[in-house]
Amino acid sequence: GAVVSQHPSWVICKSGTSVKIECRSLDFQATTMFWYRQFPKQSLMLMATSNEGSKATYEQGVEKDKFLINHASLTLSTLTVTSAHPEDSSFYICSAKGSVYNEQFFGPGTRLTVL
Amino acid sequence: DAKTTQPPSMDCAEGRAANLPCNHSTISGNEYVYWYRQIHSQGPQYIIHGLKNNETNEMASLIITEDRKSSTLILPHATLRDTAVYYCIAPNQGGKLIFGQGTELSVKP
Repeated sequence: GAVVSQHPSWVICKSGTSVKIECRSLDFQATTMFWYRQFPKQSLMLMATSNEGSKATYEQGVEKDKFLINHASLTLSTLTVTSAHPEDSSFYICSAKGSVYNEQFFGPGTRLTVL
Repeated sequence: DAKTTQPPSMDCAEGRAANLPCNHSTISGNEYVYWYRQIHSQGPQYIIHGLKNNETNEMASLIITEDRKSSTLILPHATLRDTAVYYCIAPNQGGKLIFGQGTELSVKP
């Protein structure tokens, strides 16, 4: 299967700061990337879908001005959590889908802790 | 997305086959069934997918009923490392994966 990486794997920040998370497809071109978050003991929740070169499509209830998504190339998407607050602390996971594979491949996740 | 229903938890003895069921009675004719698993604090891992025919790969087998209303994921010889939450998903044409609660499989020695 294809490989997707995320950076950083974990981050701790102060309330009010912004945090950027990178998602890269290492060995394939990702025409579509997805961002999820997961709270403890809960399932993954889809936040948004991004297609390369287009604006992201956000799921209902997800604030687009708070969670900025950029998908500027076929191998990189970034999620920026702006003005982070403790309630944004979560496990953020990306996935990528290309034209070669039918399936999505997931990154290892980024654990964000906001103090 | 077609709604899927899975048992919340299952136990399996190490070395035995683990059979994980999934109901997807509202699945449409062109919707695939995908299986992923998530080991604690990791990103989900793709296992297998299918449309109508049974499928097998190095990880598992997928048995889909003829009416496509249910399927079973089979791990032929479960190991302790197979302990994870297993998700059965039928994404829509847009390719979105909407995760339910999945089945928490515990493989015991």
